[in-house]
Amino acid sequence: KAGVTQTPRYLIKTRGQQVTLSCSPISGHRSVSWYQQTPGQGLQFLFEYFSETQRNKGNFPGRFSGRQFSNSRSEMNVSTLELGDSALYLCASSFGDRAGETQYFGPGTRLLVL
Amino acid sequence: GENVEQHPSTLSVQEGDSAVIKCTYSDSASNYFPWYKQELGKGPQLIIDIRSNVGEKKDQRIAVTLNKTAKHFSLHITETQPEDSAVYFCAASRVNRDDKIIFGKGTRLHILP
Repeated sequence: KAGVTQTPRYLIKTRGQQVTLSCSPISGHRSVSWYQQTPGQGLQFLFEYFSETQRNKGNFPGRFSGRQFSNSRSEMNVSTLELGDSALYLCASSFGDRAGETQYFGPGTRLLVL
Repeated sequence: GENVEQHPSTLSVQEGDSAVIKCTYSDSASNYFPWYKQELGKGPQLIIDIRSNVGEKKDQRIAVTLNKTAKHFSLHITETQPEDSAVYFCAASRVNRDDKIIFGKGTRLHILP
């Protein structure tokens, strides 16, 4: 069974631009969560989607948004990029029937904002 | 809400020795405790997990213990090998309809030759 895939793997943007990252969950998984990882900050939770609805949200500004499609694939968008948005963005999927269950991570998208 | 604290942030052990990473959680209703290993350039991978109805679980050189009374759980790696060098994350959650998993800040484990 294929794992979680994320595209693109690497991205370079400049301040003020916007970016869209994509995540395809493991087949059969209906929940997708997004995390931001920066050195020393661990895994900062962004949001979780289940059946196309946002089920949980972290403490990030409104510039960070996401959505989930009917096939469970998910995208996250960051508008008006800032230098501090440079990070590894991780997507994780789970079966989703119950929040808090085992999550399976993708390899991440490394975003560099110049 | 739930808070998970993880110690130490960095750990160096000689190859062949044991390594122990400890986590504490705040929500007594938490009932699921996974551990993840993140190697350089990769996403975190689940290595072992434990549920609140079990006190200990082992998988070859890896074991996890849970003390619900004290609200802490630990990862034990015996006979460490170079490939054990990575960042390890603990996490806790209440498995239900609404709660998300809360992660510790991670422990960077160095295995010294």
